[in-house]
Amino acid sequence: DQQVKQNSPSLSVQEGRISILNCDYTNSMFDYFLWYKKYPAEGPTFLISISSIKDKNEDGRFTVFLNKSAKHLSLHIVPSQPGDSAVYFCAASHTGTYKYIFGTGTRLKVLA
Amino acid sequence: DGGITQSPKYLFRKEGQNVTLSCEQNLNHGALYWYRQDPGQGLRLIYYSQIVNDFQKGDIAEGYSVSREKKESFPLTVTSAQKNPTAFYLCASSPAYAAGDREQFFGPGTRLTVL
Repeated sequence: DQQVKQNSPSLSVQEGRISILNCDYTNSMFDYFLWYKKYPAEGPTFLISISSIKDKNEDGRFTVFLNKSAKHLSLHIVPSQPGDSAVYFCAASHTGTYKYIFGTGTRLKVLA
Repeated sequence: DGGITQSPKYLFRKEGQNVTLSCEQNLNHGALYWYRQDPGQGLRLIYYSQIVNDFQKGDIAEGYSVSREKKESFPLTVTSAQKNPTAFYLCASSPAYAAGDREQFFGPGTRLTVL
C-alpha cells in the first residue's frame, strides 16, 4: 500500500520556465509534508516543507502548495535552472509518529 | 559544522558476511533512521530510533539489526540473512518531535556491494 505517490517518474523543462512536481497521498492523518532533492550517490537535501494548517509555503524559487481535500501537493520551481536537474522526493508524516513515508521520486531534467 | 556522517562511502563484502554501516550525528537530534534506496525506487525505512536504547522496525527490517547505545550513533548491521543486500544505504536524523518543523536530515550515504 503506497501511501505517498509520485506518478510522474520523469519531467523535462526548459531553463527559465516553471517546473511543477506533483505528489498524492492517501492517509488523511498526514499533517506535515516535505520535499527533498537528490543527486546520484548522495543523500537527499531538504528543500521545503509545509504543515497541514497551511496551503502554501514559499522559499525563494521554491513554492509548495497543499490541497488537503484532494490529498495532493505540488512543488513549483520558478525559474528552473540546469542545476535543479535531480530526483525530487516528497515525503509525509503525521503527529505522534516519527516515521516519514517517501514517494518514489520524480527525475527532473532542466534543459539549457 | 553539524551534520550526519556515514562511513565508508563505498563498501564491498563477500556474500555470507555480516557488515556494519556507521552513522554518527552531531546535530543533537533525538531520532535516527536507516533507509535503503534501490535503483528507480524511493526510500524504504529499515529501522528507526526515537531515544537511546530503543528502536523500532521499519517496513523492511528483515535481515538487518541496529543498536542505539548513544544519542549520537546508530550503526546498522546487514546480516547474511538479508537476501539482496546490495543497495545505497542512507542514515537520517530529526529533532525530538515538537509542534512545528519536523525536517529530516540525511547523511551522504553508503553504497554497499555484496560480491
